[in-house]
Amino acid sequence: DAGITQSPRHKVTETGTPVTLRCHQTENHRYMYWYRQDPGHGLRLIHYSYGVKDTDKGEVSDGYSVSRSKTEDFLLTLESATSSQTSVYFCAISGLRSNQPQHFGDGTRLSIL
Amino acid sequence: EDQVTQSPEALRLQEGESSSLNCSYTVSGLRGLFWYRQDPGKGPEFLFTLYSAGEEKEKERLKATLTKKESFLHITAPKPEDSATYLCAVRTYQGGSEKLVFGKGTKLTVNP
Repeated sequence: DAGITQSPRHKVTETGTPVTLRCHQTENHRYMYWYRQDPGHGLRLIHYSYGVKDTDKGEVSDGYSVSRSKTEDFLLTLESATSSQTSVYFCAISGLRSNQPQHFGDGTRLSIL
Repeated sequence: EDQVTQSPEALRLQEGESSSLNCSYTVSGLRGLFWYRQDPGKGPEFLFTLYSAGEEKEKERLKATLTKKESFLHITAPKPEDSATYLCAVRTYQGGSEKLVFGKGTKLTVNP
């Protein structure tokens, strides 16, 4: 198994509160990604990183920000959570060449009430 | 717009009953097609990468094939432990960056 740890695994919070999800990898991979998975949709990319302090937006980036200060950690922040951000969030990593497959963590189930 | 469509949405098989899952795609500049397996409460687990039409990959009871417009995941003599959701994803190059476009998945149930 790829060494990817997501924390927390489950979180319930209220609308308007800030939330930070963490992804930690032990593979020293260059690329890291945040996706969300919702019923009726495929996995959708929120943000990704191609190196320390290098990040870019995905297709559903509104309301989310990310940071990567170390190779092994990629943080996803919801500055002011809304009910539409209730979802399962997955982190993925891939190696030096971007055409290598992505490997996923086991997800964070986030509920915003 | 890049699109990946998987069919059927759900499939029930009896143990030993072989079948195929379909992934059709409309993308500009295919740079690989990926199959994943996802168990409930878990992240997707990588199975195969296919890069060019005619390519085939096999792993135990699974075989993935690729044409110019679609991919098939053939399951031979499935067992209950093959029950999972199977995801297809296509890597494309657009706007100066690569991205992975996922289908919605096929939920496979294999009954003993």
